[in-house]
Amino acid sequence: QQQVKQSPQSLIVQKGGISIINCAYENTAFDYFPWYQQFPGKGPALLIAIRPDVSEKKEGRFTISFNKSAKQFSLHIMDSQPGDSATYFCAAYTGGFKTIFGAGTRLFVKA
Amino acid sequence: SQTIHQWPATLVQPVGSPLSLECTVEGTSNPNLYWYRQAAGRGLQLLFYSVGIGQISSEVPQNLSASRPQDRQFILSSKKLLLSDSGFYLCAWTRGKTNEKLFFGSGTQLSVL
Repeated sequence: QQQVKQSPQSLIVQKGGISIINCAYENTAFDYFPWYQQFPGKGPALLIAIRPDVSEKKEGRFTISFNKSAKQFSLHIMDSQPGDSATYFCAAYTGGFKTIFGAGTRLFVKA
Repeated sequence: SQTIHQWPATLVQPVGSPLSLECTVEGTSNPNLYWYRQAAGRGLQLLFYSVGIGQISSEVPQNLSASRPQDRQFILSSKKLLLSDSGFYLCAWTRGKTNEKLFFGSGTQLSVL
């Protein structure tokens, strides 16, 4: 119940295309869903986040779509660029000190 | 602005040797501090967190320990490293009242040979 399942494990997208990463959760007590971006050899950095009372959040080329009834959320990267090549982690938080992370998706954007 | 420093960036240690990884946070007081481990192809696993000096909570029983000797200093240690301790170790902090946004350091790649 504490898991967050993320797919795909890896993704190759052409420059200018749309990258889509999906996550699913079971625990309905989660109330904050962040996405982290990690470049090789670096720590993850918060990219964008959403709360379950909102169905979509957009920041620049990055959009989170949230489906509360299906317990799923996804990250869309529009007009994907080579500089977006990184590992992306979805996560879920329900208070306290523990954030549950998905296994990560390695995105490669081909120039 | 707040910054988090973590060192060393890379470490190669023999099996059975001790370990000490250090993390410091600047620009904030009384942060909540965390140690995470990232294994290849897996998500981030919370190892320890601390809400104050000398206060350590362990999430996963293992060969590692943590200490917080100062408000903005967090140390990850081991007396005898195992092969399975290899991984990418990340220190992170959150603001006091809400712990939903994690701020990570740049990590230490530990290889135990």
